[in-house]
This record gives sequence, C-alpha cells and structure tokens, in this order.
Amino acid sequence: EAGVAQSPRYKIIEKRQSVAFWCNPISGHATLYWYQQILGQGPKLLIQFQNNGVVDDSQLPKDRFSAERLKGVDSTLKIQPAKLEDSAVYLCASSPGQTTYFKLFFGSGTQLSVL
Amino acid sequence: AQSVTQLDSHVSVSEGTPVLLRCNYSSSYSPSLFWYVQHPNKGLQLLLKYTSAATLVKGINGFEAEFKKSETSFHLTKPSAHMSDAAEYFCVVSFTGGGNKLTFGTGTQLKVEL
Repeated sequence: EAGVAQSPRYKIIEKRQSVAFWCNPISGHATLYWYQQILGQGPKLLIQFQNNGVVDDSQLPKDRFSAERLKGVDSTLKIQPAKLEDSAVYLCASSPGQTTYFKLFFGSGTQLSVL
Repeated sequence: AQSVTQLDSHVSVSEGTPVLLRCNYSSSYSPSLFWYVQHPNKGLQLLLKYTSAATLVKGINGFEAEFKKSETSFHLTKPSAHMSDAAEYFCVVSFTGGGNKLTFGTGTQLKVEL
C-alpha cells in the first residue's frame, strides 16, 4: 500500500516570498490533515479536510496561509508571504474517517527554511 | 480544552534495560490517548492507542502503556530497550467526537546506548 506522498522534501526561501507544498493521501482516505512542526515542538494542526470540505481551520493563520483540496483527493498548502517564524516541517496526514477509531497515516513532511 | 505534558525532553537508557517515557494529560472529555514515534527523516508512526477499552494497551515493537485516570497519566514502557528504539516519541490526546483532532506533546528524545 502506497503511503502519504509529500513534495518537495526540502524548500529554502527568503522571507516575503511565497511557497507551496503538495500532498497526495492514501487512496480512498476521506480525511486529510496539515500539521506544522516547529523544531523542538510537537506537530500542531493547521487544517483538516473531510473530502473537499474544511472541518477545522481554527489554527491556520489565514492572513498568509491557504489550503485547498478541490477534488477531495490531493491537497496544496500555500504560504504567502512567508515569515521567518514559518520555518518548520509541514506534515500531511490522512485517515479513512474522522473518528479516533481511524488511524492517521503521516507523510515524511516538507522541511521549510525561511531566511 | 485538552493538552498533554511530556515530563522529560530527553531520556537515555542502556540497551537491554527498561524504558519509561512519562506523559500526563488534561482533557475536558473522555480522552483518547496515543503514542507516536518519529524516526529521523521518516513519518510519524502510531505505536499504540487507548480509546476507553482495556486500560493496559499493548503496541508494536514491545511497547505498552497504561491509562490511569486517577493520575491522569499514560506512561509508555518497554521491558528491554533496543538500539532501533532510538527516536522521538510523542504523547497525543484527542477526545471522542473531536473529529480525530490530535493534540501533541512536545516530545521525548530517547537515546539508547550500548
């Protein structure tokens, strides 16, 4: 079974530039999550999708971050403009459903460095 | 509100000795509790989960955790550490009906020495 695919693996940009990350979840998984993991901290949920609808984006900095999952399959997370404090690993995860019965499967992440 | 506190940021053990990684939780609802492991350059992997069934939960690779409501704890243990156990471990809380929204602790880095 193919896992959660993320690209790029690494990205280095200067502050005020824009960047986009891509995630392809496990086939058939309805729920998709984006997490931000700052060095030395645990992952923090940014946004949760159920199919192509947003379930929770309460911790997404909407003035600069946006995410979409237009066809209910793959997803893109964008930052525009980036700040130094956005340096982190961005993790995508998917699961078959929304309850804690379902296990989350995580991708390897995209490591972003903002200079 | 829900949160977890991992009491040790770093734990070092010798190979073959027991492992104890401590976690305390806070949740306004009946919690679901998890331990995840993160090896360098690899995705987070679920070790085990507690969702209101048996309080002693067995996971992969010989790990287990015990849910103690009176102590609001969910410590992770393993009888005998192996070199391959060296990784970062996260205690995670969610709650039934919470949409599977996970709240992670800050992590414990486990080092295993020969």
